[in-house]
This record gives sequence, C-alpha cells and structure tokens, in this order.
Amino acid sequence: DQQVKQNSPSLSVQEGRISILNCDYTNSMFDYFLWYKKYPAEGPTFLISISSIKDKNEDGRFTVFLNKSAKHLSLHIVPSQPGDSAVYFCAARISGSARQLTFGSGTQLTVLP
Amino acid sequence: DAGVIQSPRHEVTEMGQEVTLRCKPISGHDYLFWYRQTMMRGLELLIYFNNNVPIDDSGMPEDRFSAKMPNASFSTLKIQPSEPRDSAVYFCASGESSGNTIYFGEGSWLTVV
Repeated sequence: DQQVKQNSPSLSVQEGRISILNCDYTNSMFDYFLWYKKYPAEGPTFLISISSIKDKNEDGRFTVFLNKSAKHLSLHIVPSQPGDSAVYFCAARISGSARQLTFGSGTQLTVLP
Repeated sequence: DAGVIQSPRHEVTEMGQEVTLRCKPISGHDYLFWYRQTMMRGLELLIYFNNNVPIDDSGMPEDRFSAKMPNASFSTLKIQPSEPRDSAVYFCASGESSGNTIYFGEGSWLTVV
C-alpha cells in the first residue's frame, strides 16, 4: 500500500522550459512534505519542503505547491537546466511523530539542452 | 562537517553469504534510518533508531535482515544469508529530533549473485 505515489516514472523537458513533477498521497495524517533530488551513484539530497499550513513555498527556481483537499503536491522548476536532470523523490511525514519519511518511487527528470 | 558515511560503497557477494553494511551518522543526530532503493519499490524504510534504540523495524523484509546501533556513531545492517533478490542500494540517513529533514549517505550498492 503506497501512501506516497509518483505516477510518472520519467519526464523530459527542454532546457529553459518549466518542469512539473507531481506527487499524490493517501494518508491524511501527513502534514509535512519534502522533495529530494538524487544524482546517479549519490544519496538523495534535500531540495525543498512545505508544511501543510501553507499551499506554496518558493526557493529560487524551485516552487512546491500543496493542494490538501486533493492530497496532491507538485514541484515546479523554472527555468529548467541540464544540471537539474536527476531522480526526484517526493516524501511525507507526520509532525509530532518520529522523523521517518515515507517516499514515493521517484521521477527521472531529463532536461534536454 | 562530514555527512553520513557508509561502507562499503559496493559489495558483490555470492548467494548464502553474510553481508554487513555500516553507517556512521552525522554527529549529534539522534535518529538513524536504513532505507533500501529498488526499481520496483523506490525508497523503502527498513528500520529506524532513536537514541540508539530500534523504534520501528516493520519494514525489515524478513528474519534474514537485522540491524544494530551499539552507539551513537555507528550502525550496521546485516543480511544472513543473502539472496539475489536482496540486490539493491541500501541507504543510511540521520536526522535531529528538532529538524524536519533527514540526510542521506551515498549508499551501499549490493549485488548478490
């Protein structure tokens, strides 16, 4: 039973355009969401996060949107750069509990020059 | 500051052999997590510790898997006996109770032939 789902295993985008990565969750207890980025042969690294009390968080070229009613979040990257090519994992956790994160299966983003 | 350190980075072993993966968390972090990445399941949590005590091992696939944390700076994940289906990348991560993110090591690539 996957509580965090990334239904698109891959996404290709032209350099300079917007990349939109999507994530759905089923557990209504989740109230903190994160995106991690992973390059080949490296561990995942934290990218951006959002608390359930917000619906948007922005950090430079990266913006995360949260739609609680739809249990959906998305990561927007604009403009996309070739160096953004990586696997992006969506993760969620329940505040007040331990720090373990539940991850989605990841989306491979390829930014074409 | 050093990040999470894992060893070995790569391990190739024969079916039936014992495998031990090692992890040194970031100093001062009181949570330690073991995750496994596979193509089918993405990143799945195997077990996590808080202050060296195992809190939740429900993600451990079967009795062949065991994990220990004898002190705050060291943890092991052991597979005995190993099987080909255990082939995956195993990540260790650590975090603070006061923080919202966790930090991953570079992973241990295990191949069981």
